[in-house]
Amino acid sequence: EVQLVESGGGLVQPGRSMKLSCAASGFTFNNYDMAWVCQAPKKGLEWVATISYDGSSTYYRDSVKGRFTISRDNAKSTLYLQMDSLRSEDTATYYCARRLRRVYDYWGQGVMVTVSS
Amino acid sequence: DIQMTQSPASLSASLGETVTIECLASEDIYSNLAWYQQKPGKSPQLLIYYANSLNDGVPSRFSGSGSGTQYSLKINSLQSEDVSIYFCQQNYDSPWTFGGGTKLELK
Repeated sequence: EVQLVESGGGLVQPGRSMKLSCAASGFTFNNYDMAWVCQAPKKGLEWVATISYDGSSTYYRDSVKGRFTISRDNAKSTLYLQMDSLRSEDTATYYCARRLRRVYDYWGQGVMVTVSS
Repeated sequence: DIQMTQSPASLSASLGETVTIECLASEDIYSNLAWYQQKPGKSPQLLIYYANSLNDGVPSRFSGSGSGTQYSLKINSLQSEDVSIYFCQQNYDSPWTFGGGTKLELK
């Protein structure tokens, strides 16, 4: 059974950093591109970043470029999102998702990030 | 960026009814369209990809159609477990964008 389990969320002050992790199991992690997708409270979904199966390529939405870094450790089957210079508008639930045929076929349960002083 | 506009924003229907949700793209996305279902308090789940391909395990009462800029999700014989928010997503061009969602409730 495919499982994606996020961790590392919580309350953080504006301008500070936070690192999210996503532990994957039930599939061959290094065969798949992975992504982070966020959902602000009571709002829609927004793609954040994607990383290729081998970590050689990364892609970001404009609003997080230069502030967020997506990475992966295939030996540990774990995906990461390093979030720096956080802003109040980054407040959201962050989902880790497996990418297949350019859609997201499995999602984690999500982790809440609240940016507030 | 490609804008995805869903309609209606909310919908109330009775058990056994057929409902249709629409998604309009701001440009031709060549059937690169997915639908997701998000049940209350849960993470999204993939229903349909490439506009009309049903994901594994998704009941056959769900179907997708459309081309160009106009797409739709149809749910036949509405069940209580279908109460959810439904999102469309274009996967034609980055940034990959989602519609605003359609909240489906029971009448």
